[in-house]
Amino acid sequence: GAGVSQSPSNKVTEKGKDVELRCDPISGHTALYWYRQRLGQGLEFLIYFQGNSAPDKSGLPSDRFSAERTGESVSTLTIQRTQQEDSAVYLCASSLAASGSAPSVEQFFGPGTRLTVL
Amino acid sequence: AQKVTQAQTEISVVEKEDVTLDCVYETRDTTYYLFWYKQPPSGELVFLIRRNSFDEQNEISGRYSWNFQKSTSSFNFTITASQVVDSAVYFCALSGETSGSRLTFGEGTQLTVNP
Repeated sequence: GAGVSQSPSNKVTEKGKDVELRCDPISGHTALYWYRQRLGQGLEFLIYFQGNSAPDKSGLPSDRFSAERTGESVSTLTIQRTQQEDSAVYLCASSLAASGSAPSVEQFFGPGTRLTVL
Repeated sequence: AQKVTQAQTEISVVEKEDVTLDCVYETRDTTYYLFWYKQPPSGELVFLIRRNSFDEQNEISGRYSWNFQKSTSSFNFTITASQVVDSAVYFCALSGETSGSRLTFGEGTQLTVNP
């Protein structure tokens, strides 16, 4: 079956513009995650969805960042008034619902969207 | 707070050498999970292994092996007889009771295997 897909694969924008990044999770995966990976660094958690609700938004770096998920499927990460420090690869992952208080399920990652803010 | 440290930023080896990637973690959780992911040049993360905090048995999968030691809070990854296709960035990650579903990643180790 298809894996996690993300679009666009690359996005170049001017400082101050808004951007939308899209994630299509694996069918049947109720959990969806967004991470950010700056050049040469590890992944930083942004937000987690269980179904259409986001129980953990604590990783969003500022109020310019928001995300939504509809139909327990597609998710959109929106960055308003982009800044140069937003330049990074934005990775989406999905998994089966995590059970218990310590999630053990494997997260499957998409190829990412490389965002460049000029 | 949780933290994962991968002290080796870059490692370069010659094909067929064995190589060990170090991972040290910090957590106050009793129940937690440790992961290794591979990120080849294409960029997509590939899951390699998951280990829970109650299972300290080492694991071997082909040329890959993992050594989990709670006493030293380490979860090291060894590739035996490395191959050029092993060249990638390898990430160690941690999830636990207090962090919910988020993964905390280390900074990654860039492994280059030269022919």
